[in-house]
Amino acid sequence: KQEVTQIPAALSVPEGENLVLNCSFTDSAIYNLQWFRQDPGKGLTSLLLIQSSQREQTSGRLNASLDKSSGRSTLYIAASQPGDSATYLCAVCRTGANSKLTFGKGITLSVRP
Amino acid sequence: DAEITQSPRHKITETGRQVTLACHQTWNHNNMFWYRQDLGHGLRLIHYSYGVQDTNKGEVSDGYSVSRSNTEDLPLTLESAASSQTSVYFCASSDGGQSYEQYFGPGTRLTVT
Repeated sequence: KQEVTQIPAALSVPEGENLVLNCSFTDSAIYNLQWFRQDPGKGLTSLLLIQSSQREQTSGRLNASLDKSSGRSTLYIAASQPGDSATYLCAVCRTGANSKLTFGKGITLSVRP
Repeated sequence: DAEITQSPRHKITETGRQVTLACHQTWNHNNMFWYRQDLGHGLRLIHYSYGVQDTNKGEVSDGYSVSRSNTEDLPLTLESAASSQTSVYFCASSDGGQSYEQYFGPGTRLTVT
């Protein structure tokens, strides 16, 4: 059974800091990995999707990397801003699972002005 | 723009009543999913569908049912609401092609009293 872990559960950083959010998964036979952002009381917004054949994806100040062999992904946020404060979730689609996702519990990020 | 909508956004019901939560997407996606999100448990899959007339049970399907009569809609029914079903419910959809990227609705907050 695929398990997805995100540690720590919460993180507080000062504005301007570059930061890395970690995600680990137990089964390396994955089809893709997706990072989401969730604001309080809102739905999930897809940030980046990395296919299993890819090593990384970039969107603006965000960069996600994937290392299937070690069962790890990182979300790098450059020059963090208070507006980046949210919960960040990673989710894994196992090979053959036809887009069913297994989610981590998320990391709640607070960026202090 | 294509989107995925849920209604109602908030619902209070009594124990034992039947409740139906609506989900409508205009992405023309074949795959649709229902999740519940609870503190300490993260997102858990309730039911999913890969196309019209197709429905499948997820990891927490007891007490819930879905039906898929067209591509756009996947309503979730709680047959006899229980207090344990108080939660935030999210609907999502993804294409059946290569990316499997999932897009989420805004959520329905359900309280069972």
